Amino acid sequence: KAGVTQTPRYLIKTRGQQVTLSCSPISGHRSVSWYQQTPGQGLQFLFEYFSETQRNKGNFPGRFSGRQFSNSRSEMNVSTLELGDSALYLCASSKEGTGGETQYFGPGTRLLVL
Amino acid sequence: AQSVTQLDSQVPVFEEAPVELRCNYSSSVSVYLFWYVQYPNQGLQLLLKYLSGSTLVKGINGFEAEFNKSQTSFHLRKPSVHISDTAEYFCAGGPSGNTPLVFGKGTRLSVIA
Repeated sequence: KAGVTQTPRYLIKTRGQQVTLSCSPISGHRSVSWYQQTPGQGLQFLFEYFSETQRNKGNFPGRFSGRQFSNSRSEMNVSTLELGDSALYLCASSKEGTGGETQYFGPGTRLLVL
Repeated sequence: AQSVTQLDSQVPVFEEAPVELRCNYSSSVSVYLFWYVQYPNQGLQLLLKYLSGSTLVKGINGFEAEFNKSQTSFHLRKPSVHISDTAEYFCAGGPSGNTPLVFGKGTRLSVIA
């Protein structure tokens, strides 16, 4: 079974630009979560999608948005990039996203904002 | 607020020595507990998880963890580490339902030859 895939793996953008990251979950998984990982803040939850609906949202500004498609693939978008958005963005999938389920992580997209 | 605290940011240890990585959780996040490992330039991989039942949980790569409700701890242990265990380790917790996991800040384990 193929794992969680994320594209692109690396991105360099400049301040003010926008970026779209993509995540393909494991086949059969309907829940997709996004995390931001930085050295200072660690892993912070961005949002979770289940059956094309945002089910949970972390404490991030509205510049961070996402969506999920009918095949469970998900995208996240960051508009008006700031230097502080430089981070590793991780996507994780699980079957239903219920408590106790294992989340399977992708390799991440490393975003550098100059 | 829910929280998971990893008490050590860095742990150096000699190869073949035992290691313990410490994790404490707030009581509101005690329902499910996880340990994940992250190797350089990779995502997180599940080592083990505690859902209920036996408080000693065995995971992959020879790791185990013990759930201690009275001390609100979920420490990770390995009796003999290898160079290949060098990585960052994350403790995480979550209540029941769909609420997202809360992660600790991570512990960087460095195994020295």
